Amino acid sequence: DQQVKQNSPSLSVQEGRISILNCDYTNSMFDYFLWYKKYPAEGPTFLISISSIKDKNEDGRFTVFLNKSAKHLSLHIVPSQPGDSAVYFCAARGLVDKVIFGPGTSLSVIP
Amino acid sequence: ETGVTQTPRHLVMGMTNKKSLKCEQHLGHNAMYWYKQSAKKPLELMFVYSLEERVENNSVPSRFSPECPNSSHLFLHLHTLQPEDSALYLCASSQGELAGHYNEQFFGPGTRLTVL
Repeated sequence: DQQVKQNSPSLSVQEGRISILNCDYTNSMFDYFLWYKKYPAEGPTFLISISSIKDKNEDGRFTVFLNKSAKHLSLHIVPSQPGDSAVYFCAARGLVDKVIFGPGTSLSVIP
Repeated sequence: ETGVTQTPRHLVMGMTNKKSLKCEQHLGHNAMYWYKQSAKKPLELMFVYSLEERVENNSVPSRFSPECPNSSHLFLHLHTLQPEDSALYLCASSQGELAGHYNEQFFGPGTRLTVL
């Protein structure tokens, strides 16, 4: 049973528009949530994180929102750029520094 | 070299072979990880080392044997693998949590393993 879910395997967005990537989790003990970006033939790269005690964290064009009651988080990218095209992984930290990853959402930003 | 490096980048091996994957981090971190990514599956945590001690073994079969000789190096020794073990194996490192602040993991580029 997946503890971290990303129900959209892919997403296409026009350049300049907002990209919204969604993530749901089942374990209420997770205390940190992270987003990673992965280009082909490279390892995942950390993008942004949020502690479970916050509901929003912003870093430039990237904002992560956390809704603990719904066990839902989302990553907003605005404005989207072609270089943002990649696979985005949502991840959550549990015990002993154990990070659980979602299956990923492939984002395509169309010029 | 900077960041996290992994060698080899690609490996093809038979089921009776013994091989090793190597990971090296140049970031001064004190924790290292092995992940497996199979096609169309999430990254699966395999092993966690903190201060060179194994703190997590995520029910990984014994044909995978990790080794962490020091805080900068991590190995994954492979022995009598199965074709279903073919996957991308990723190494990561992080600085252990300080004063309640969680530090993200930095990943290497991975080793693409094919077991024939």
